[in-house]
Amino acid sequence: EVQLVQSGAEVRKPGESLRISCKASGFSFTNYWIGWVRQMPGKGLEWMGLIHPDKSKTEYSPSFEGRVTFSADKSITTAYVQWSSLQTSDTATYYCARLSGDGYSWPFRFWGLGTLVTVSS
Amino acid sequence: EIVLTQSPGTLSLSPGERATLSCRASQSISSNSLAWYQQKPGQAPRLLFYGVSGRATGIPDRFSGSGSGTDFTLTISRLEPEDFAVYHCEHYGSSPHTFGQGTKVEIK
Repeated sequence: EVQLVQSGAEVRKPGESLRISCKASGFSFTNYWIGWVRQMPGKGLEWMGLIHPDKSKTEYSPSFEGRVTFSADKSITTAYVQWSSLQTSDTATYYCARLSGDGYSWPFRFWGLGTLVTVSS
Repeated sequence: EIVLTQSPGTLSLSPGERATLSCRASQSISSNSLAWYQQKPGQAPRLLFYGVSGRATGIPDRFSGSGSGTDFTLTISRLEPEDFAVYHCEHYGSSPHTFGQGTKVEIK
């Protein structure tokens, strides 16, 4: 069974750093792109980008490039997204998700439950 | 970047009625790389359709996807109580993938 288990809710102050995680199991972690999706409170889904754990390739949406960094640790089948300096506008639920197929142009078939990040002074 | 515009923003219908949701792209979507998701409050999205009309595992046949080029439609033939949710379309054929802003189907 494919599972994506995300880390728990976080509360940070503006300017602080943060890394949240997505632990994958039930499939070959190095064969699939893992993506990140933001959902601000009461809003729609925003595609942040993808990481391929084996190829160490990343694709960022222009809206998020330079604002977040994706990484992955193959040894523990975990993907991460990190911020070096959070802003209040980063308050959102962040989902990790796995593409349906082993290529790049596929929709998200499997989703984590989301990590709520709250940034407030 | 392909911009997806969903309409209407909110659809107020009764159980048993037909729902028609639209997703319009700012440019033609290649290889029919258009997906639909359903999202209920407090839950992660669930894939409904890929490749415009390819039904994902476990999706009832009262749901159907159609369209091509820049205009796509998700149809729910007869709304069941569990179908009241937010629906998102996504283009995934090129980088960056993008989502529409969502259509909420609410009980009238």
